[in-house]
Amino acid sequence: DQQVKQNSPSLSVQEGRISILNCDYTNSMFDYFLWYKKYPAEGPTFLISISSIKDKNEDGRFTVFLNKSAKHLSLHIVPSQPGDSAVYFCAASEAGFGNEKLTFGTGTRLTIIP
Amino acid sequence: DGGITQSPKYLFRKEGQNVTLSCEQNLNHDAMYWYRQDPGQGLRLIYYSQIVNDFQKGDIAEGYSVSREKKESFPLTVTSAQKNPTAFYLCATNGRTSGIYNEQFFGPGTRLTVL
Repeated sequence: DQQVKQNSPSLSVQEGRISILNCDYTNSMFDYFLWYKKYPAEGPTFLISISSIKDKNEDGRFTVFLNKSAKHLSLHIVPSQPGDSAVYFCAASEAGFGNEKLTFGTGTRLTIIP
Repeated sequence: DGGITQSPKYLFRKEGQNVTLSCEQNLNHDAMYWYRQDPGQGLRLIYYSQIVNDFQKGDIAEGYSVSREKKESFPLTVTSAQKNPTAFYLCATNGRTSGIYNEQFFGPGTRLTVL
C-alpha cells in the first residue's frame, strides 16, 4: 500500500522555466512533509519541508505548497537550473515526538534541458 | 567534520554469504535508520533505532539484522535469507535534536552487489 505517491516518474523542463513536481498521500495522520533531492550513487539531501499548519513554505528558488483537503503537495523550482537535474523524493511523517519515521514516494527524475 | 559515514562505497559478495554494512555518525543524533533503494522505487525502510540498545523493524526487515550498541554506530547485516540483496543501501539519522522536526540526514550509501 503506497501511502505517498509520485505519479510522474520523470519530468523534463527547459532551463529558466518553472519545474513543478507533484506528490499525493493517503494517510490523513501525516502532518509533516519533506522534499529530498538525490544524485546517482549519493545519499539524498534535504531540500525543504512544510508542516500541516501551513499551506506554503518558500526557500530561495524552492517553494512547497500543501493542499490538505486534496492530500496533495507540490514542489516548485523557479528558475530551473542544470544543477537541479536529479531525482526528487517526497516524504511524509506523522505527528508526535518519537514518530520520526518517514514514508517516501517513488521519486521523480527531473531533467533540466539547457 | 560532522556527518554520516558508510563504508565501503561498493561491496561485492557471493550468494549465500552474510555481509555487514557499516554506518557511523558523529552528529550526536539519537535515531538512526536503514533504507534500501532499488531502481524505479523509493526508499524503503529496513530497520530503525530511536535509542541505544533498541531497534524496530521497518517495512522490509526480512533477511536483515541490526544492532545498536553505541549511539554512533548502527551496522546492518544482510543475511543469506534475503532473497534479493543487490541494492543501494542508505543509512540516515534524525535531526530532531537540531530543532528541525523530522528531517533525516543521509549517508553517501553503499552499493551491494551479490554475485
